[in-house]
Amino acid sequence: SQELEQSPQSLIVQEGKNLTINCTSSKTLYGLYWYKQKYGEGLIFLMMLQKGGEEKSHEKITAKLDEKKQQSSLHITASQPSHAGIYLCGADPGAQKLVFGQGTRLTINP
Amino acid sequence: DGGITQSPKYLFRKEGQNVTLSCEQNLNHDAMYWYRQDPGQGLRLIYYSQIVNDFQKGDIAEGYSVSREKKESFPLTVTSAQKNPTAFYLCASSSRTRNTDTQYFGPGTRLTVL
Repeated sequence: SQELEQSPQSLIVQEGKNLTINCTSSKTLYGLYWYKQKYGEGLIFLMMLQKGGEEKSHEKITAKLDEKKQQSSLHITASQPSHAGIYLCGADPGAQKLVFGQGTRLTINP
Repeated sequence: DGGITQSPKYLFRKEGQNVTLSCEQNLNHDAMYWYRQDPGQGLRLIYYSQIVNDFQKGDIAEGYSVSREKKESFPLTVTSAQKNPTAFYLCASSSRTRNTDTQYFGPGTRLTVL
């Protein structure tokens, strides 16, 4: 079965700094999803990547899928307090359902 | 507005009782899903349904039951057989289009067993 490993598990950065979250898969990724979750709330869809080398951006968040399609990174530029939360990657193992990483908890200090 | 609603937001249950969590969507999505989230962990799939009157077990279906009588609704029952039901429960739906299967999530229900 496909497993996703996120790193780091927890991240504390100062407001204005850049940061990167990684998601590594045990198998080839055929669809990689990034979500954000505020504590006690549902998941908000951020971006989906499918092709090797693909890169997408939304506001100050950029997600990339490597050429081998086994690792994805989420990069936040000039972090703001609104970026705080839990970031989860999810993958489609081809079984019409998603598997998720354990999440990365991001804290932004003023 | 289109979206997914879950109710109640908080639910308390005594041991030995069954409880039902509601999930409704007006996005006209075919597929619906139930996940469980425990502190510091990712989401684990309980049940999913790709079409009305059909559903499949996920990775942790024991102690749970579902029904899919209407396209818009996918209620989850947590039975007394579930050994450790205290968790955050998330419902999701997707349109199952050819090229993408993005899942959209409801706000969640936090279940606590007293």
